[in-house]
Amino acid sequence: DADVTQTPRNRITKTGKRIMLECSQTKGHDRMYWYRQDPGLGLRLIYYSFDVKDINKGEISDGYSVSRQAQAKFSLSLESAIPNQTALYFCATSDRWTFYNEQFFGPGTRLTVL
Amino acid sequence: GQQVMQIPQYQHVQEGEDFTTYCNSSTTLSNIQWYKQRPGGHPVFLIQLVKSGEVKKQKRLTFQFGEAKKNSSLHITATQTTDVGTYFCAGSAGGTSYGKLTFGQGTILTVHP
Repeated sequence: DADVTQTPRNRITKTGKRIMLECSQTKGHDRMYWYRQDPGLGLRLIYYSFDVKDINKGEISDGYSVSRQAQAKFSLSLESAIPNQTALYFCATSDRWTFYNEQFFGPGTRLTVL
Repeated sequence: GQQVMQIPQYQHVQEGEDFTTYCNSSTTLSNIQWYKQRPGGHPVFLIQLVKSGEVKKQKRLTFQFGEAKKNSSLHITATQTTDVGTYFCAGSAGGTSYGKLTFGQGTILTVHP
């Protein structure tokens, strides 16, 4: 969805480097999420934020941190990247006031850690 | 924690054949959503089911939510090449976690013309 953007789209880095993935949205949604996708494992939730002052760990938060700088921006950091963090990362947003509360995904960031 | 299992992991069909993917949760769900991800793309919302035993249809797609609200299925009648992609179910426990989804592993559908 063009309303949810992620930068960079592709990144190759080395073990031990600090990496930040950024997500911005123009949908005006209050909720934002970070997932990683690995073949055969589906989408796994890393962190989620239901508003600017609310940050929650997901099922696989170890090795990651996040920052919700504003309602429209949610960044994911890998403090010291390791090869098993190689994956496709998606940011998503949702609006608590909609009936379905469906999530809208960004285009994804493909991260490779060597 | 909540787990959502989805089978099969892969399904190969000839165009015109039917396709079904199944989803099972370890806990009772408040609702379940289905998403489709085209190859090289991102997940896109298809539908949400909320009521026990609910059945919804979207053209050739039929979605069901089990009576116990712990399982769901997506059935595609007479597949077309445009149906290719990965189908995910995603469950929400509701309450203070409403909106937080646990995704199944996905079913990758390939359709041979």
